[in-house]
Amino acid sequence: SAVISQKPSRDICQRGTSLTIQCQVDSQVTMMFWYRQQPGQSLTLIATANQGSEATYESGFVIDKFPISRPNLTFSTLTVSNMSPEDSSIYLCSVDSGGGETQYFGPGTRLLVL
Amino acid sequence: SQQGEEDPQALSIQEGENATMNCSYKTSINNLQWYRQNSGRGLVHLILIRSNEREKHSGRLRVTLDTSKKSSSLLITASRAADTASYFCARGNAGGTSYGKLTFGQGTILTVHP
Repeated sequence: SAVISQKPSRDICQRGTSLTIQCQVDSQVTMMFWYRQQPGQSLTLIATANQGSEATYESGFVIDKFPISRPNLTFSTLTVSNMSPEDSSIYLCSVDSGGGETQYFGPGTRLLVL
Repeated sequence: SQQGEEDPQALSIQEGENATMNCSYKTSINNLQWYRQNSGRGLVHLILIRSNEREKHSGRLRVTLDTSKKSSSLLITASRAADTASYFCARGNAGGTSYGKLTFGQGTILTVHP
């Protein structure tokens, strides 16, 4: 199984600012995913990030708001731009286990926007 | 919504009792998975059942799948206080542009009292 770390683990930010979340995996993986989990809610997929190509965003999420980088097979970043209190959520990255079925998840980044 | 429905939303039981959680979905699936989340942290994969399977076991976990009713259930037998967590079903989508993506249900909050 893959071990995934995220930085920061939590942050409190002011509205209008941006935060970049890092996701590091201990092995090379092709597919990485970014999810948002709003308070008391389930996970919603933001985008799929494959190394060497542009991230693919789900309906309701746009690159200007959530730019993603995937510079190599073990690392990705998600930026939450021009934040508002509605962006307060847990942001989780995950990686495909190798067969396009199960995923391994990072511990999440808990974001509070004031 | 494309997300599955889970019931109950919350379940409170005593240690030693069994816990049953249900998940329904709307579109065709490649597989149905169950994940566990402790206190807003990262998710841990529990068990996967493929669309051509009807029942699967893993330790104290038993999962059933009824594709005709588009529903699945997760049974945890002889529950322990350490089983207290949120449980999510996730629909593994078919191939093509949905390859590797998961669609999560709303989740069930399980509390097991010592």
